[in-house]
Amino acid sequence: GAGVSQTPSNKVTEKGKYVELRCDPISGHTALYWYRQSLGQGPEFLIYFQGTGAADDSGLPNDRFFAVRPEGSVSTLKIQRTERGDSAVYLCASGQGTTGELFFGEGSRLTVL
Amino acid sequence: KNQVEQSPQSLIILEGKNCTLQCNYTVSPFSNLRWYKQDTGRGPVSLTIMTFSENTKSNGRYTATLDADTKQSSLHITASQLSDSASYICVVSARQNNNDMRFGAGTRLTVKP
Repeated sequence: GAGVSQTPSNKVTEKGKYVELRCDPISGHTALYWYRQSLGQGPEFLIYFQGTGAADDSGLPNDRFFAVRPEGSVSTLKIQRTERGDSAVYLCASGQGTTGELFFGEGSRLTVL
Repeated sequence: KNQVEQSPQSLIILEGKNCTLQCNYTVSPFSNLRWYKQDTGRGPVSLTIMTFSENTKSNGRYTATLDADTKQSSLHITASQLSDSASYICVVSARQNNNDMRFGAGTRLTVKP
């Protein structure tokens, strides 16, 4: 596609449920990043992939959060046993290599009731 | 304490007026500084990227300045338009790798007719 695509755009779930958020990066971009953005705040780094491997997952807040990128393209962010504090916009960004411009998706807004 | 501080937190100006947004950072070492525009409900879009050796960079009506000695940057918007209403986020990278980007909380700009 022309840009970074994220689905769903909105997700409402109940506390304790499992959630998957998908990111389809720009074709050919090897670097993929997940960020979390709370209202009125800047994005907060979660995890970075270079190709298929998670090169840096130091931003994941706890072991309920996990992300995969099995074929080096589409990535899925997985959140287990969701909590109300997980409510935020989850942004995905992709880029060519580890430097240079980053292109963000529109985000997936997660609301945990 | 956030390593990237932006001011003001919010700003309201009339259409056609100019404005300047500020970014102070303590990130060290320093690789580059970026300004992003984020419309409500959308992902951030890059406006400028500046490295250590660059003092100023323009992108249309947006002009960013950088003083690496005082660790300050500004984003000047001239002849504001209603479509400039958005959050403007300052991002500082400690290394060349994009996975070390530190985001400010943003300045919320509202342009009124």
